[in-house]
Amino acid sequence: GQSLEQPSEVTAVEGAIVQINCTYQTSGFYGLSWYQQHDGGAPTFLSYNALDGLEETGRFSSFLSRSDSYGYLLLQELQMKDSASYFCAVRELNQGGKLIFGQGTELSVKP
Amino acid sequence: DSGVTQTPKHLITATGQRVTLRCSPRSGDLSVYWYQQSLDQGLQFLIQYYNGEERAKGNILERFSAQQFPDLHSELNLSSLELGDSALYFCASSEGATGELFFGEGSRLTVL
Repeated sequence: GQSLEQPSEVTAVEGAIVQINCTYQTSGFYGLSWYQQHDGGAPTFLSYNALDGLEETGRFSSFLSRSDSYGYLLLQELQMKDSASYFCAVRELNQGGKLIFGQGTELSVKP
Repeated sequence: DSGVTQTPKHLITATGQRVTLRCSPRSGDLSVYWYQQSLDQGLQFLIQYYNGEERAKGNILERFSAQQFPDLHSELNLSSLELGDSALYFCASSEGATGELFFGEGSRLTVL
């Protein structure tokens, strides 16, 4: 089976940097993705790491280390609108490539 | 707007009933996914279709079924509904069998 672990909650202040970690157990996967979901809304894609290393997209960066079964999402220059839930997800190599999500991390950005 | 359309947006029904949720994927996307999200929970994978064929299955209950039609839209059928089936049901699509998912706004099901 597969599992992904994320912290349930993270709190930070406006302008700060926050890192949301994701550890996973899977027999093999294509890559690690991150999605953002505002309160009850549709999840939206943020980033994807197929290879080890850092991917940067504006204020957001994502990192993957396959050897450590670990990844993280880094959010810089936090804004109030970044308050949301953030999900890591892996697409498995086997079992049809289904995309499995972690339980999500609720980020609260305070003024 | 992701381009994925789900109907209905809200649905209230009683235990024991049956409902059908509909999803139209983005134009050109061949894969459709269904996810269930209960209150303050993560996204539980139900099932994935690719170009009309079932590709992957999650912990989908036997009371639930789905299909993808030749025009690529998909329907999720939920029967013998129980209180615990109350949740947000998301449909998502992607161009291929892998890759970025585009989610619809979800169908909020309330079972009373």
